[in-house]
Amino acid sequence: ILNVEQSPQSLHVQEGDSTNFTCSFPSSNFYALHWYRWETAKSPEALFVMTLNGDEKKKGRISATLNTKEGYSYLYIKGSQPEDSATYLCAFKSAGNKLTFGGGTRVLVKP
Amino acid sequence: EPEVTQTPSHQVTQMGQEVILRCVPISNHLYFYWYRQILGQKVEFLVSFYNNEISEKSEIFDDQFSVERPDGSNFTLKIRSTKLEDSAMYFCASSEMASGIAEQFFGPGTRLTVL
Repeated sequence: ILNVEQSPQSLHVQEGDSTNFTCSFPSSNFYALHWYRWETAKSPEALFVMTLNGDEKKKGRISATLNTKEGYSYLYIKGSQPEDSATYLCAFKSAGNKLTFGGGTRVLVKP
Repeated sequence: EPEVTQTPSHQVTQMGQEVILRCVPISNHLYFYWYRQILGQKVEFLVSFYNNEISEKSEIFDDQFSVERPDGSNFTLKIRSTKLEDSAMYFCASSEMASGIAEQFFGPGTRLTVL
């Protein structure tokens, strides 16, 4: 059974502050690590697909790093804004088609 | 921008009834998926579908579940005889490819409530 864990489960951030949170996943049979941003009542939105150890990806104020040898990825939000409030999901892909999701980190940015 | 759509957004049914959840994947995508999230739990994979066949399924996807692509645009999930524990948010997703780097695009989900 694949275990993908995210921490913390939730966090409150003051507007303008930066924050980061973690996704841990199996370090064997790694194909890709996906990050999604999910707002309530909307479709989960793909942020990044990461495949290479040491990879760093950036989209606006959001960036992510990947360490496949130790099995973790960090997602960073720089200068948080209220519109960044969402649940951030990571999902591990091994051989096969399925994504195995973590439990998500719920981010609330307070004005 | 193309998107995955799902209908209905919310379905309430009685235990033992059949339900069909509908999805319209992105038009040029070839791989289709169903996931679900029981309240308070992780999103979990149910099934993937390619070339009119199931390509992978989880142990959750037992004989009570079936999937179909009845025409060129729709992708459906049928639950034959719903149980209380089938209550969940069901997500459809599609992708162009099945490789690790292929993004899976998700619909907004159907909330199924079994009474």
